[in-house]
Amino acid sequence: DSGVTQTPKHLITATGQRVTLRCSPRSGDLSVYWYQQSLDQGLQFLIQYYNGEERAKGNILERFSAQQFPDLHSELNLSSLELGDSALYFCASSASGISYNEQFFGPGTRLTVL
Amino acid sequence: AQSVTQPDIHITVSEGASLELRCNYSYGATPYLFWYVQSPGQGLQLLLKYFSGDTLVQGIKGFEAEFKRSQSSFNLRKPSVHWSDAAEYFCAVGDSGGGADGLTFGKGTHLIIQP
Repeated sequence: DSGVTQTPKHLITATGQRVTLRCSPRSGDLSVYWYQQSLDQGLQFLIQYYNGEERAKGNILERFSAQQFPDLHSELNLSSLELGDSALYFCASSASGISYNEQFFGPGTRLTVL
Repeated sequence: AQSVTQPDIHITVSEGASLELRCNYSYGATPYLFWYVQSPGQGLQLLLKYFSGDTLVQGIKGFEAEFKRSQSSFNLRKPSVHWSDAAEYFCAVGDSGGGADGLTFGKGTHLIIQP
């Protein structure tokens, strides 16, 4: 158990819908990262937050957005969903926003778009 | 932009045999390098990392990796595999230049252990 929790574990929805994925980092970690894992794209970095502020952006679509709240939990919002958004979404946390710090990964949320 | 190549999609090894998983990276400076393992239905767990110093890095579960700058490689090794090592292994590079802090992952190598 990494100490990172993600809810829900599974999510099934329809095209055009909007969903919210939630992540609680390890106690004391200030940085949260979101990754998408799909069969064709592999594991891709989406976005990072550090202590409530956006820190870095990766391959995140404009239809996707995220935020980190004062209690440090984070939410990833996916809107106007398409079939291709079906994937495993991971949240990771680290103590700081520095690249060499270990990122601890949650168990993931599996999103299926029908 | 940085990138990671794991040339082997699948590798099959007999239990007790040695293992080497290949990883090549593309990065302008000395990168931060990581190996993660993902068991079925699980998140990723860090096996080891390199960011400076000794180029031979020891990790958990008996794994080690060697950073070779001249070959842009960071291969993962284990002298004797156990059935519980069957999993997906990912090599990743982190930005040491103060840029984006998300990791860039390879496509992964699926390790199958034969009894």
